[in-house]
Amino acid sequence: GAGVSQSPRYKVAKRGQDVALRCDPISGHVSLFWYQQALGQGPEFLTYFQNEAQLDKSGLPSDRFFAERPEGSVSTLKIQRTQQEDSAVYLCASSRILGPGGAFNQPQHFGDGTRLSIL
Amino acid sequence: GQNIDQPTEMTATEGAIVQINCTYQTSGFNGLFWYQQHAGEAPTFLSYNVLDGLEEKGRFSSFLSRSKGYSYLLLKELQMKDSASYLCASRRSATNKLIFGTGTLLAVQP
Repeated sequence: GAGVSQSPRYKVAKRGQDVALRCDPISGHVSLFWYQQALGQGPEFLTYFQNEAQLDKSGLPSDRFFAERPEGSVSTLKIQRTQQEDSAVYLCASSRILGPGGAFNQPQHFGDGTRLSIL
Repeated sequence: GQNIDQPTEMTATEGAIVQINCTYQTSGFNGLFWYQQHAGEAPTFLSYNVLDGLEEKGRFSSFLSRSKGYSYLLLKELQMKDSASYLCASRRSATNKLIFGTGTLLAVQP
């Protein structure tokens, strides 16, 4: 499809295990974002890539969280030594930077997310 | 969310009009987005405002007042499928990231 694709759709892990979540952005989208969404809350920003460069990682909750986008397309969010509070939906979004005429009004397009449950 | 306020829940009747309000922190403001999110699904883009005024798009309209740090989403001719969470999000000048509110859960009743 032409949208943002995330896998797996659901992930169950035991506390202490490492997990890796994948995001395939829309083709040609330079910007890629990761968000964390708890039940009943809005998405919370984790990190932002422009091509392969990670320009903002201010939202990553701890050094157990690591994200990469080595070739400027697919991105992986890795969580090491998972804890129960890591249980949430992890959303990936992509966008163009500039629209026609240089407008900064490009919306972020979201994937369906990965629902992570830590037992 | 950080400094984004919107009502938690609203109820409206099929065929009616509903207005969902949102207030945001004005410092560094660079655009206001509205998204719709059905349970278990991705947020989908509805509208964008950066200048004062009303943007109309079919049954949905969005309004912005930069001086007041205020926006609303107006939904007309409500349909049952409009039952969803509506997320208000602001973008700051120095970054492309979005700051989301907690979302307004709208229930449309027959």
